[in-house]
Amino acid sequence: NAGVTQTPKFQVLKTGQSMTLQCAQDMNHNSMYWYRQDPGMGLRLIYYSASEGTTDKGEVPNGYNVSRLNKREFSLRLESAAPSQTSVYFCASSDQGEAGELFFGEGSRLTVL
Amino acid sequence: GQQLNQSPQSMFIQEGEDVSMNCTSSSIFNTWLWYKQEPGEGPVLLIALYKAGELTSNGRLTAQFGITRKDSFLNISASIPSDVGIYFCAGQLVVGDYQLIWGAGTKLIIKP
Repeated sequence: NAGVTQTPKFQVLKTGQSMTLQCAQDMNHNSMYWYRQDPGMGLRLIYYSASEGTTDKGEVPNGYNVSRLNKREFSLRLESAAPSQTSVYFCASSDQGEAGELFFGEGSRLTVL
Repeated sequence: GQQLNQSPQSMFIQEGEDVSMNCTSSSIFNTWLWYKQEPGEGPVLLIALYKAGELTSNGRLTAQFGITRKDSFLNISASIPSDVGIYFCAGQLVVGDYQLIWGAGTKLIIKP
């Protein structure tokens, strides 16, 4: 059971470079999420997709874009990376009826120099 | 943004000890959840609570949904080395809300 798979696991970027984080889930979940985790701050929601074809901003969307490619895949794009975007990024998914019961990927550690 | 007040920030305990941690807020929550994160991994759901006063167990873990709906507690009995990690509380303010409010985490360290 793969669950939620994120790629890449590690990435180093220079300021101003762009990149896309990929996420795929094999649990047939309707909803998918992108979070960032910074030390001492818990998890903060960047964007979410309640269902295929929809995306919505979370708490910290600035500097990011997302694409819900199909039911399985939800990507996060940084168009012009900044040092403030150095973080660990987590993708998660949930069955729409299971409020808050999220299944997380292993995370992608991004460093912006 | 809004954040839950989770305490303690960290705990150093001996193997076999019981552990208690809690989350509080000034807001009323519809759902409380407890997750555990191990190094290099994403959080994993431990317990979900849906009713005020609800007490739910998962093995040696017991969590409670506070009667005021503004707090939740997690207890771990007879801790073992594999309990180390960071425990997060999260709350859902209203039914159907996709945005959870998260605590900053309680880091559990077991003294050798």
